[in-house]
Amino acid sequence: DIQMTQSPSSLSASVGDRVTITCQASQDINNYLSWYQQKPGKAPKLLIFDSSSLEKGVPSRFSGSGSGTDFTFTISSLQPEDVGTYYCQQYDNLPPWTFGQGTRVEIK
Amino acid sequence: DVQLVESGGGLVKPGGSLRLSCAASGFTFNSHSMNWVRQAPGKGPEWVSSISSDSGTYTYYAESVKGRFTISRDNAKNSLFLQMNSLRAEDSGVYFCARDVVAATGQMDYWGQGVLVTVSS
Repeated sequence: DIQMTQSPSSLSASVGDRVTITCQASQDINNYLSWYQQKPGKAPKLLIFDSSSLEKGVPSRFSGSGSGTDFTFTISSLQPEDVGTYYCQQYDNLPPWTFGQGTRVEIK
Repeated sequence: DVQLVESGGGLVKPGGSLRLSCAASGFTFNSHSMNWVRQAPGKGPEWVSSISSDSGTYTYYAESVKGRFTISRDNAKNSLFLQMNSLRAEDSGVYFCARDVVAATGQMDYWGQGVLVTVSS
């Protein structure tokens, strides 16, 4: 199975700060990577697919980049409503599709 | 609007069985493959199973549930199911149904709110 390693596991930043999360795959997954936001007690919400494509209705302060094994997720200007846990997920080829362990984002 | 609503969760003893359902609306159900994804408390999501849009082309399972869980669907009733047998404590968590954007891409664009499964004596 492809392992996904996210870092950091948690971060605290101020409103307006630029926030960056990284995700590393254990093998080349091309650009088949999604980023999700999850709030407590809720389902994950798709933000980014195919590494850098923004899902419809998602604010443009969210962005993604990378290909191969190394990927980055950025919030350009952190807002209070962005508090939650963010997960990367690879979907290269056939299952099993795997998720990172998550990054908890808090407001300082 | 796309809606996915899970049901059927609950408390079950180890070795027991449970059948989860997911009612879909707001999209053409038989045009999308569907998935079950679970999440243990405090952990990241874990993909569990997938089924093709026509339910006959393919089904996939995580190794951890292969032989114990069975995914199925009823396109006439816009419903997805997960039959879970021989349940173990490590199967506990919230189970989500999730729509694949097309067919077995693994890209899941809509998720239900989840249903809690607790396996405990």
